[in-house]
Amino acid sequence: QQPVQSPQAVILREGEDAVINCSSSKALYSVHWYRQKHGEAPVFLMILLKGGEQKGHDKISASFNEKKQQSSLYLTASQLSYSGTYFCGTEETSGSRLTFGEGTQLTVNP
Amino acid sequence: DSGVTQTPKHLITATGQRVTLRCSPRSGDLSVYWYQQSLDQGLQFLIQYYNGEERAKGNILERFSAQQFPDLHSELNLSSLELGDSALYFCASSVSWGSNQPQHFGDGTRLSIL
Repeated sequence: QQPVQSPQAVILREGEDAVINCSSSKALYSVHWYRQKHGEAPVFLMILLKGGEQKGHDKISASFNEKKQQSSLYLTASQLSYSGTYFCGTEETSGSRLTFGEGTQLTVNP
Repeated sequence: DSGVTQTPKHLITATGQRVTLRCSPRSGDLSVYWYQQSLDQGLQFLIQYYNGEERAKGNILERFSAQQFPDLHSELNLSSLELGDSALYFCASSVSWGSNQPQHFGDGTRLSIL
């Protein structure tokens, strides 16, 4: 079942914050986050496995709620380099294939 | 550079033709995944191989087939091509297939059907 990402698109000014959500109607085993710049390959950001987990690096972090049905990606003090399309990929059972959301297009302007 | 190599980068062909896309995974990775991405769309999972064996199948058409060879490189064969097959085809690899395995994507092959 494909996860639902929101918003579909967001435009920020440099230094502003953004939150991207990824939701499922079922409990998930894991959530993977990727960023894809236009015409390039998706790049892995992070994986969340446990309910209540939070992780991050630099100013990009993510959380996985206790029910394991929603994950949020947090981008703080955004930089121009954060522009791109962010995809969540969800796994329903251990070792099953990833199903990706439709993506959230993030544009950071100077 | 993800370490995943895909060739060719671009392919232009006509309807009804057959093409082969090639993928070399990162050194040490045993799993290979194929995805299709149509214009401004998400990533549609096609198929996964692990150490030479098919492990999972997604929305792969019967006209498409894939295999993973003993040296772990993989090929995706697309036949009787239709206009709607025009897309970016990505290969990704991971060490294994567990839930804590990030997938590393190649730069993709852009297929254009005329």
